[in-house]
Amino acid sequence: KNEVEQSPQNLTAQEGEFITINCSYSVGISALHWLQQHPGGGIVSLFMLSSGKKKHGRLIATINIQEKHSSLHITASHPRDSAVYICAVRPQTNSGGSNYKLTFGKGTLLTVNP
Amino acid sequence: NAGVTQTPKFRILKIGQSMTLQCTQDMNHNYMYWYRQDPGMGLKLIYYSVGAGITDKGEVPNGYNVSRSTTEDFPLRLELAAPSQTSVYFCASSYSIPAYYEQYFGPGTRLTVT
Repeated sequence: KNEVEQSPQNLTAQEGEFITINCSYSVGISALHWLQQHPGGGIVSLFMLSSGKKKHGRLIATINIQEKHSSLHITASHPRDSAVYICAVRPQTNSGGSNYKLTFGKGTLLTVNP
Repeated sequence: NAGVTQTPKFRILKIGQSMTLQCTQDMNHNYMYWYRQDPGMGLKLIYYSVGAGITDKGEVPNGYNVSRSTTEDFPLRLELAAPSQTSVYFCASSYSIPAYYEQYFGPGTRLTVT
């Protein structure tokens, strides 16, 4: 079983819809990252969070550390949001400290149709 | 700032050939990473470095070598290329302070071994 599971694997939406992508993990973490990868393109970091909620424009990321779960929401989706969204976690070290290495989920392919 | 740059963007190798993937960052990051991304799989860490002169293996180091002679450069060497090394390779870098562990990715190198 992967340490980081994302759902759904694929998601198709109509422009304007509210999008939710989920990420569950099985280890103690010091932080969780959401990343975006456009087709044929590089990878961009969207959020890094260790508690609560962060918002940037139409993107909102939330995390529940007790439930080991995070969600990425996109409000008023647009075709330019079409991309692969990747969840990655930073596992805690044995001493409970912060690990700089990431464990990645397989990604969620989002397609937003006009 | 150019951020993280990688060369080449694309490369086709024959089985048994060798090559070096170049990675340079201009953000004065101490930490650098090499990942490979296979279709339908999450990013896997090949090697990482926490500073000039210091490198260590990640999850999938076999068939690869790295060096870190300067803070800026972190080349990845493939010796005796094999079809299993067909993948997209990403270099990334980050600060060494936990609150700033957000990783910055290069544009990737698409490698095919035939």
